[in-house]
Amino acid sequence: EVQLVESGGGLVQPGGSLRLSCAASGFTVSNNYMTWVRQAPGKGLEWVSIIYSGGSTYYADSVKDRFTISRDNSKNTLYLQMNSLRAEDTAVYYCARVAGDSRGAFDIWGQGTMVTVSS
Amino acid sequence: DIQMTQSPSSLSASVGDRVTITCRASQSFSNYLNWYQQKPGKAPKLLIYAASSLQSGVPSRFSGSGSGTDFTLTISSLQPEDFATYYCQQSYSAPRTFGQGTKLEIK
Repeated sequence: EVQLVESGGGLVQPGGSLRLSCAASGFTVSNNYMTWVRQAPGKGLEWVSIIYSGGSTYYADSVKDRFTISRDNSKNTLYLQMNSLRAEDTAVYYCARVAGDSRGAFDIWGQGTMVTVSS
Repeated sequence: DIQMTQSPSSLSASVGDRVTITCRASQSFSNYLNWYQQKPGKAPKLLIYAASSLQSGVPSRFSGSGSGTDFTLTISSLQPEDFATYYCQQSYSAPRTFGQGTKLEIK
């Protein structure tokens, strides 16, 4: 079964760090573009970051220089390292696969992991 | 960055109604436009990709159209399970922006 399972969310103080993981099964992370999307409580979807199969990475301006997307091919897992966290980073974080044959649509999503930044 | 604007922001409709949601982009990008459905507490689900292609397993009452800057999502006959929030998203360039969402509620 093709699926994504996120983990690593939790409560962190402002200025702190957290690393989210997204374990994939049923497909190979390194052969696909992979992305992170977040949703603040009661708000809409906000794209966060993407990593291409070739390794190029891109970020939303709101997280640039604070967040880092990466992957571990041996573990078939995607990561999001989040540093210098702010209250406005509080959200459910979803990882998703970018379908290769669908004009870049996000076809497989994880269940989400909640990150709360608060003192 | 490409801005995506959906309308309306919310919509009340009845079971059996035909509903259309629109999405306008701040610049043209052919058909790199996708639609997602999200229910409370759940991850988004891909409905339509490349503006008009139906994702596998999605009922045929959902359809998409448009190109360039103006796109629409149509639900031909609303079913009870269709009441949810819908988002458009451009996948033409980073940042891969979403519209603000359209909440579809039961009248």
